Amino acid sequence: DAGITQSPRHKVTETGTPVTLRCHQTENHRYMYWYRQDPGHGLRLIHYSYGVKDTDKGEVSDGYSVSRSKTEDFLLTLESATSSQTSVYFCAISDLGTNGYTFGSGTRLTVV
Amino acid sequence: QQPVQSPQAVILREGEDAVINCSSSKALYSVHWYRQKHGEAPVFLMILLKGGEQKGHEKISASFNEKKQQSSLYLTASQLSYSGTYFCGTVPNNAGNMLTFGGGTRLMVKP
Repeated sequence: DAGITQSPRHKVTETGTPVTLRCHQTENHRYMYWYRQDPGHGLRLIHYSYGVKDTDKGEVSDGYSVSRSKTEDFLLTLESATSSQTSVYFCAISDLGTNGYTFGSGTRLTVV
Repeated sequence: QQPVQSPQAVILREGEDAVINCSSSKALYSVHWYRQKHGEAPVFLMILLKGGEQKGHEKISASFNEKKQQSSLYLTASQLSYSGTYFCGTVPNNAGNMLTFGGGTRLMVKP
């Protein structure tokens, strides 16, 4: 019954290769977000979207791009993966109400 | 700029109380609180909007002092299930819906 799913759950990739992570929601929420989580840094915002084709940068956007062609899907692309992008990536959705953010289960990405 | 949480870690015995603080350098519109268990996604606990309200969620409650740009999370009569890492997230005034998270407070409740 999860309203938000992320794929893949785990991925190992080589330095220099492009990688795309997918976030899919069934809640019809307008806002979608990509965060990365690293030890000692908490959750840091990479990019977010406030509607189809409407996206903006977060605090750690360098090396990442996003696309949202449909309400339900928000894609995060690492254009040329580096070891510093090894992290756990979380997608989140929000309807700007009082229910906060709902997070996906996360994608553990390892860049070797 | 990231809000500052304190303490960074706390160990409790079952039944004891704890307070986790969250402080921002910016004027805030709202504060969120989340709990994350190891290997899982963060889970929303509550949101506090400017106006200084206090909210409750079972034995977990929170306050928001808009003037001081601070929020506190209160855990009373802690249970083993309260263990995890607690994050505050802040939305500054005029920042839309962009949440900036603190570094987290690791809470361990022991029998």
